[in-house]
Amino acid sequence: QQQVKQSPQSLIVQKGGISIINCAYENTAFDYFPWYQQFPGKGPALLIAIRPDVSEKKEGRFTISFNKSAKQFSLHIMDSQPGDSATYFCAATNAGGTSYGKLTFGQGTILTVHP
Amino acid sequence: AAGVIQSPRHLIKEKRETATLKCYPIPRHDTVYWYQQGPGQDPQFLISFYEKMQSDKGSIPDRFSAQQFSDYHSELNMSSLELGDSALYFCASSSTLARAEQYFGPGTRLTVT
Repeated sequence: QQQVKQSPQSLIVQKGGISIINCAYENTAFDYFPWYQQFPGKGPALLIAIRPDVSEKKEGRFTISFNKSAKQFSLHIMDSQPGDSATYFCAATNAGGTSYGKLTFGQGTILTVHP
Repeated sequence: AAGVIQSPRHLIKEKRETATLKCYPIPRHDTVYWYQQGPGQDPQFLISFYEKMQSDKGSIPDRFSAQQFSDYHSELNMSSLELGDSALYFCASSSTLARAEQYFGPGTRLTVT
């Protein structure tokens, strides 16, 4: 059972456009929601993260929107660039619990930004 | 800034052989996580260690074992390798003060033939 569901599976955006990736979770014990960027053959790189006490967090061109009541969160990439082409994973964890922060990942979204 | 170091980067083994993967966390990070990522899949949590003690266990086969040493590096030991064990294996590390902020290493690509 996938505890974190991510959509879309793939996304094609033109340069300068906005990329939007959505995730939904089931476990209400999750209290930390990071996004990772992964290039082929490389390790996931932490992009941005949010805790449920805020509804939005912005870092440069990347913004997370969080809806606690709907148990959904999304990543917005503004002014998308060809260099943003990668696989993006949302994740969730219970940072303060006995899980010691193990991450549960979404299925991933392959983003392609055309020049 | 120093990152997580994994070795080897690539490993080719035959069925029923054993393999040892090593992970060196970011300095002053005391928690290490191991993840397995199959082709086109999301990373799956295997096991984690905090202060040299196993802190959590995921979908790790009984053929696999791991430990964290006094210098905080960790090793994942895999025995009786199967074709299905072929995957990318990532190690991530975090500190007590920011446990959820996990930083991943470059991974070890294991191919079992």
